Amino acid sequence: DVKVTQSSRYLVKRTGEKVFLECVQDMDHENMFWYRQDPGLGLRLIYFSYDVKMKEKGDIPEGYSVSREKKERFSLILESASTNQTSMYLCASRPGDRGTGELFFGEGSRLTVL
Amino acid sequence: AQSVTQLDSQVPVFEEAPVELRCNYSSSVSVYLFWYVQYPNQGLQLLLKYLSGSTLVKGINGFEAEFNKSQTSFHLRKPSVHISDTAEYFCAVSQGNFNKFYFGSGTKLNVKP
Repeated sequence: DVKVTQSSRYLVKRTGEKVFLECVQDMDHENMFWYRQDPGLGLRLIYFSYDVKMKEKGDIPEGYSVSREKKERFSLILESASTNQTSMYLCASRPGDRGTGELFFGEGSRLTVL
Repeated sequence: AQSVTQLDSQVPVFEEAPVELRCNYSSSVSVYLFWYVQYPNQGLQLLLKYLSGSTLVKGINGFEAEFNKSQTSFHLRKPSVHISDTAEYFCAVSQGNFNKFYFGSGTKLNVKP
């Protein structure tokens, strides 16, 4: 089974802190994604990566950056956390071939910024 | 850009009753359609998908959905729900190379005994 692991399920940070959210997948998937989930808004794409060191902005990249130094790991970075970044963050991955298009999700990281 | 509408934010239903969760999308050009389920405190998992072929798609846990191109809809149905189906359901649309997915706002299904 594909497993996508997000290192922290719950985090509480203060305004202005730097925050790292880590995601690791164990199925050698080329593509990895970071989404933000907010009630009533569904999932919105922050960034995705289609290869090591490659990244593309999604729909809401402002205030975020990402890092993909190894194929299995995709990190989301909040350089200076703000209260409006309080949210659930979901990491996902999928194989590089077009395949079935299915995304495999981690269990999420719930971030609260005070 | 594509938009996905799930008009019902919450759907209460009694156990063993049928249910339909509605999903409409904005563009019918080469779309691929998905339904995901999210159980409490978990990530999303795929219920079913439409890529091509038969417009009636069957998924896991007895769910099915029908792709209707003329109405740009992909409604999810189950003839008899169980308490364990209580979850949030998301419709998603992708075009092209599956790097861009557009998600609906979600429908919370609450199955009552």
